[in-house]
Amino acid sequence: ETGVTQSPTHLIKTRGQQVTLRCSSQSGHNTVSWYQQALGQGPQFIFQYYREEENGRGNFPPRFSGLQFPNYSSELNVNALELDDSALYLCASSWGTRDNEQFFGPGTRLTVL
Amino acid sequence: GESVGLHLPTLSVQEGDNSIINCAYSNSASDYFIWYKQESGKGPQFIIDIRSNMDKRQGQRVTVLLNKTVKHLSLQIAATQPGDSAVYFCAEINYGGSQGNLIFGKGTKLSVKP
Repeated sequence: ETGVTQSPTHLIKTRGQQVTLRCSSQSGHNTVSWYQQALGQGPQFIFQYYREEENGRGNFPPRFSGLQFPNYSSELNVNALELDDSALYLCASSWGTRDNEQFFGPGTRLTVL
Repeated sequence: GESVGLHLPTLSVQEGDNSIINCAYSNSASDYFIWYKQESGKGPQFIIDIRSNMDKRQGQRVTVLLNKTVKHLSLQIAATQPGDSAVYFCAEINYGGSQGNLIFGKGTKLSVKP
């Protein structure tokens, strides 16, 4: 196990609702990256947080937002959920923004009906 | 645009045989190439990385080869075991920006037959 935890493990929402996913990074890591993994696909980068600031963003709309807290844990918020948001959401922690070995949590499976 | 893709979506091998998983990439500016293993119900797990100025790197039972001429990356697993059954992703990182985000390919499913 990597020491990265995510909650909840599964979640079912309906279109238009809002969701908050949580991630606790591995001890000593100050960087958290979020990825979306659709079924049968590779993870897609959403954004990265470093020392409580957003430090890069992928091709996701503004309704995807995040936070990082002083203890380096992080939240991913998605507003106005769409059916295509159904996916596995992964967070990964690392030491610094230039660490190839990102440690992934088990993910949160989000289903939007 | 940038992309990391795989030649083979599925690979079935006999236990004890060597496995070779291939990957093509398009961004010649990437700094590192990385292999991740994802087992069912788990997040991806780092296996090995290779810097763009290298052509080979060995780990424990794994070897990564990088051919920049044809933009090709491969992962070789020696003496494949049932525990190696998983989906394998190649990924790349370009540190030209301030962040190091992974760009993943679609993955290859490796099945090991006992």
